[in-house]
Amino acid sequence: GAGVSQSPSNKVTEKGKDVELRCDPISGHTALYWYRQRLGQGLEFLIYFQGNSAPDKSGLPSDRFSAERTGESVSTLTIQRTQQEDSAVYLCASSFGQLDTQYFGPGTRLTVL
Amino acid sequence: GENVEQHPSTLSVQEGDSAVIKCTYSDSASNYFPWYKQELGKRPQLIIDIRSNVGEKKDQRIAVTLNKTAKHFSLHITETQPEDSAVYFCAAIAAGGTSYGKLTFGQGTILTVHP
Repeated sequence: GAGVSQSPSNKVTEKGKDVELRCDPISGHTALYWYRQRLGQGLEFLIYFQGNSAPDKSGLPSDRFSAERTGESVSTLTIQRTQQEDSAVYLCASSFGQLDTQYFGPGTRLTVL
Repeated sequence: GENVEQHPSTLSVQEGDSAVIKCTYSDSASNYFPWYKQELGKRPQLIIDIRSNVGEKKDQRIAVTLNKTAKHFSLHITETQPEDSAVYFCAAIAAGGTSYGKLTFGQGTILTVHP
């Protein structure tokens, strides 16, 4: 079946603007994860959902970052008042259950000018 | 929370040689350890994983070993090929506590296989 999809693939925005990033997990996967990857760096955990609830928000860098998931499917990651340090690739992953293999989407490359 | 350390940060080998990447983890409750390969500009792809009830797993030229007592696991690639060149990430998943289900990644290893 279809893999994890993310949109947009690229987003260029001006400092101070809000952005919304979208993730469509694999159908039937109850767990959904957001990661950030700065250029040449590793993967930084942001938040994950089990169903529609987010048990662990510890990775969100600041209160400008928020995420929601509705209907145990699509999730959106919102970054308010973007800053240049928010520039990165935002990766989404999903898994059947919380301890199962995570499959990654192609990512959204965010550039804040 | 979990902390995963990965070494080396860069690894350069000749085609046909073996490559070994090592990771250590801190949370003894972790019980699932995947390895991901990420080519430039691409998404991370799972290449092999191991659960804590086994000590070794092989898939063709790739193998992973796990030592739960010492809390370390390693990726072994034999007969390396230029297409193995990529960044490799190890990870460990928390199996308890408030971080249950959270995957913590190592810092990554840039593997270069020279023809």
